[in-house]
Amino acid sequence: DTAVSQTPKYLVTQMGNDKSIKCEQNLGHDTMYWYKQDSKKFLKIMFSYNNKELIINETVPNRFSPKSPDKAHLNLHINSLELGDSAVYFCASSPYQSRGGASGEQFFGPGTRLTVL
Amino acid sequence: DAKTTQPNSMESNEEEPVHLPCNHSTISGTDYIHWYRQLPSQGPEYVIHGLTSNVNNRMASLAIAEDRKSSTLILHRATLRDAAVYYCIPWGIQGAQKLVFGQGTRLTINP
Repeated sequence: DTAVSQTPKYLVTQMGNDKSIKCEQNLGHDTMYWYKQDSKKFLKIMFSYNNKELIINETVPNRFSPKSPDKAHLNLHINSLELGDSAVYFCASSPYQSRGGASGEQFFGPGTRLTVL
Repeated sequence: DAKTTQPNSMESNEEEPVHLPCNHSTISGTDYIHWYRQLPSQGPEYVIHGLTSNVNNRMASLAIAEDRKSSTLILHRATLRDAAVYYCIPWGIQGAQKLVFGQGTRLTINP
């Protein structure tokens, strides 16, 4: 069984469109993340949610809106897509620790390659 | 965020040990050192982490310098499947608790 899954795997769309990427984890983790990996392969965190609450927002444009309907899902909606949004987007999850805070051991999904034309 | 320095690339032969170094001289006293790797066309994968003592697991060993300013990830017998970009990442149990990926080390394994 896939631990962290993302759909779709590939997404090709025109500039100005609105699109969503879905992420689901079946690990029972409390914390979920979205990362962006650009064409230069730099991997950067965008958002972090703990139990459906936003805890990290790394100055991402407000065209990007994460939504967490429950703690197993964290979807990413992107409005008015721009050429610079082309990248691979990774979802991840991690457990919460008894001593407090998320674990540094994160489980990543396979990624969604977004191409904006 | 603690800054890390890793070689851009390294090369080794199959079935030989590989030592991947990382400098993290500004690491906080409470930060753990995490290692991740990213195989081609895949998401990052957790490898190992430690605080002060050396650590072993089924994938690798982690040797941490006594002053904690550097660490070395050791792959005991590299296989072709170990070809990946390896990242060392300080992780704080306080503060923002986020993984900050640097440029990593691209490891090439020769058959």
